[in-house]
Amino acid sequence: SAVISQKPSRDICQRGTSLTIQCQVDSQVTMMFWYRQQPGQSLTLIATANQGSEATYESGFVIDKFPISRPNLTFSTLTVSNLSPEDSSIYLCSVAEAGEAFFGQGTRLTVV
Amino acid sequence: AQKITQTQPGMFVQEKEAVTLDCTYDTSDQSYGLFWYKQPSSGEMIFLIYQGSYDEQNATEGRYSLNFQKARKSANLVISASQLGDSAMYFCAMREVLTSGTYKYIFGTGTRLKVLA
Repeated sequence: SAVISQKPSRDICQRGTSLTIQCQVDSQVTMMFWYRQQPGQSLTLIATANQGSEATYESGFVIDKFPISRPNLTFSTLTVSNLSPEDSSIYLCSVAEAGEAFFGQGTRLTVV
Repeated sequence: AQKITQTQPGMFVQEKEAVTLDCTYDTSDQSYGLFWYKQPSSGEMIFLIYQGSYDEQNATEGRYSLNFQKARKSANLVISASQLGDSAMYFCAMREVLTSGTYKYIFGTGTRLKVLA
């Protein structure tokens, strides 16, 4: 199974700033996903990160707020821009390999 | 639209006993995959078990087994011999195949399991 390293594991950020989360996979994978998990809630898909093209965003999520990069088949970043307290969540990177989804350790973001 | 339903927001079980976490799903696809994940308080998502829609046998992984009833569209997780370390949030998920041939995963709302000593 794919091994995913996600950084940072947690951060506390000021309103109005941005946080960039990195996701590194130990093998080449076609599909990478970014999820948000608000406190006490389930996982909500933000976007699917495609190598060499723009990410595909889900309804309610826009590129200006959640820009994503996918420079190669082993790496992706998610930036959460113009932070507000409502952005306080766990953000999770995931990859699909042989039809199964594997997750990074998650990034716990608190906006103050 | 495809959907996953977990009707138990919270469950308690005595240590060493078995517990069943419910999951029902709704899909019109013939081919799909069902998953269970464990999320401890640290936030990571730990893969537990997988069941393919064409698998005739129920999946098992150590103390975890999946009670797959296709006609009823249910995929309940059974944890045998519960341990204190099993206390966590548990999510049922389904893999949806998109028209592009890519995947998307849909998650239920989760069940918080507390194992009592």
